[in-house]
Amino acid sequence: EAGVAQSPRYKIIEKRQSVAFWCNPISGHATLYWYQQILGQGPKLLIQFQNNGVVDDSQLPKDRFSAERLKGVDSTLKIQPAKLEDSAVYLCASSLDTGTAYEQYFGPGTRLTVT
Amino acid sequence: SQQGEEDPQALSIQEGENATMNCSYKTSINNLQWYRQNSGRGLVHLILIRSNEREKHSGRLRVTLDTSKKSSSLLITASRAADTASYFCATVDYNQGGKLIFGQGTELSVKP
Repeated sequence: EAGVAQSPRYKIIEKRQSVAFWCNPISGHATLYWYQQILGQGPKLLIQFQNNGVVDDSQLPKDRFSAERLKGVDSTLKIQPAKLEDSAVYLCASSLDTGTAYEQYFGPGTRLTVT
Repeated sequence: SQQGEEDPQALSIQEGENATMNCSYKTSINNLQWYRQNSGRGLVHLILIRSNEREKHSGRLRVTLDTSKKSSSLLITASRAADTASYFCATVDYNQGGKLIFGQGTELSVKP
């Protein structure tokens, strides 16, 4: 079974530039998550989708971050404009359905460096 | 916001020894999960323990949960060099929408 795919794996940009990350979840998984993991910390949930609807985006900085999951499969996360403090690993995860009875499977992440 | 606090922040042991990591949290939970993260395999789910359970085993892993003290521990027995990784606890509170809230992690180094 193919895992969660993410691209790019690494990205370096200057502050005030824009960047987009892509995630392809495990086939058949209805729920998709984006996490931000700053160096030395645990992952923090940014947004959760159920199919193509948003379940939780309470910790997404909506003035600069946006995410979409068109057609309920792939998802993109965008930052515009980026700040130095956005340097982090962005993890995508998916699960069969919403709820903690369903294990979350994580992708390899995209390491973003903002200079 | 971070919920769990892990202790110690870093742990270095020899192969064959046991490793114990602790996690404390602040609010009520429905379950607590442990994850492992290394550069090779990313973040991987290890074990889930529900709030009404006190102990759970999976292979060389043993997890305990004390809801009265709001704490959990992860024991890895007979450690191997391949266990070198960061270990995170994550709590779930259905009152907060059921999302995972991760701690800051324990960095485990197992020396051959």
